[in-house]
Amino acid sequence: DQQVKQNSPSLSVQEGRISILNCDYTNSMFDYFLWYKKYPAEGPTFLISISSIKDKNEDGRFTVFLNKSAKHLSLHIVPSQPGDSAVYFCAASGGRGGSEKLVFGKGTKLTVNP
Amino acid sequence: NAGVMQNPRHLVRRRGQEARLRCSPMKGHSHVYWYRQLPEEGLKFMVYLQKENIIDESGMPKERFSAEFPKEGPSILRIQQVVRGDSAAYFCASSPQQGNGYTFGSGTRLTVV
Repeated sequence: DQQVKQNSPSLSVQEGRISILNCDYTNSMFDYFLWYKKYPAEGPTFLISISSIKDKNEDGRFTVFLNKSAKHLSLHIVPSQPGDSAVYFCAASGGRGGSEKLVFGKGTKLTVNP
Repeated sequence: NAGVMQNPRHLVRRRGQEARLRCSPMKGHSHVYWYRQLPEEGLKFMVYLQKENIIDESGMPKERFSAEFPKEGPSILRIQQVVRGDSAAYFCASSPQQGNGYTFGSGTRLTVV
């Protein structure tokens, strides 16, 4: 049973346009959500996070939106740049008294075309 | 300020051999986490350790896998009698205190032949 789902394995956008990556979760005990970016042969790099007490967090070109009632979050990248091409993982934590392990989705491969 | 260092980067083992994966956390970090990524999958939590203590090993297979984080030296993930299904990328992460957004290493890619 996958508790964190990224239903789009891949996404292709033009440079300068908006990239929207989606993530759904099933465990209502999750209270903290993170996005990681991963290049081939490298480890995941933390991008942005959001606590369940908020519905939006913004950092430069990256914004994460959280819809708790729908158990859905999304990452917006605007404007998209070719260097943003990578695999993006959604992750969640919480439950069991604040366990620190992260539950990851399978990732979405973003390709930004020049 | 070196990041999380994992070695080796690539490891090839024959079925039945032992694999030892090492992780040196960032300076000042006392919490270490191990994750495994199978092909076409997301990262799956394996174990969370603090110095000399295993805090959460709920993601570790019951047999053949063990982890330690001694008082001195790196954290070690040990896989005994490896099988082809153990082929994966193993990532270590560290954090300065219990919390989220920890830093990952570049991983060890284990191939069992």
